[in-house]
Amino acid sequence: DADVTQTPRNRITKTGKRIMLECSQTKGHDRMYWYRQDPGLGLRLIYYSFDVKDINKGEISDGYSVSRQAQAKFSLSLESAIPNQTALYFCATSGGLNNQPQHFGDGTRLSIL
Amino acid sequence: GQNIDQPTEMTATEGAIVQINCTYQTSGFNGLFWYQQHAGEAPTFLSYNVLDGLEEKGRFSSFLSRSKGYSYLLLKELQMKDSASYLCAVMDSNYQLIWGAGTKLIIKP
Repeated sequence: DADVTQTPRNRITKTGKRIMLECSQTKGHDRMYWYRQDPGLGLRLIYYSFDVKDINKGEISDGYSVSRQAQAKFSLSLESAIPNQTALYFCATSGGLNNQPQHFGDGTRLSIL
Repeated sequence: GQNIDQPTEMTATEGAIVQINCTYQTSGFNGLFWYQQHAGEAPTFLSYNVLDGLEEKGRFSSFLSRSKGYSYLLLKELQMKDSASYLCAVMDSNYQLIWGAGTKLIIKP
């Protein structure tokens, strides 16, 4: 089983719909992240959380919200999806030290029509 | 602003050596990471440098010069499975990772 699991893996939806992407991990890591990846651009950080009661905005948080329901779960919501949110979304986790690498889920390919 | 620069694409021959460069300008520096990402898959960790010099790990080595804002990833004895994108990421003063757009490496027989 994967250490970092994202659901769904693929999603096609319409403009204006509310969407939730879910991430769960079995690595026991405190830190969790949501990124989006677009062709020709680097990974961009949407939100991150260093523990259950900690939520921080990343570079591109507008239009997104998150919930850290437990140490192992971190969900990303698009309240009213728009076409330019079409992208590949990754959840990642890392240990508590700053030199620890991030471990990524397999990604969610989201298309907004 | 913060910036990470990598070549967009490189081509190399199976069995050869390739060097992928990364230059960065960030607010602070707390380490540099290299990741490999096969098409349609998740990035996977390759290496971490925080001090100047060369870190060797099997066929892959990574070099860092903090004074020059420069790193490279060296891949030896290239194999077809090394065809992937290679992502450079720098941890800034806020301990956030700033990512380059990645270098797509194409290996030819």
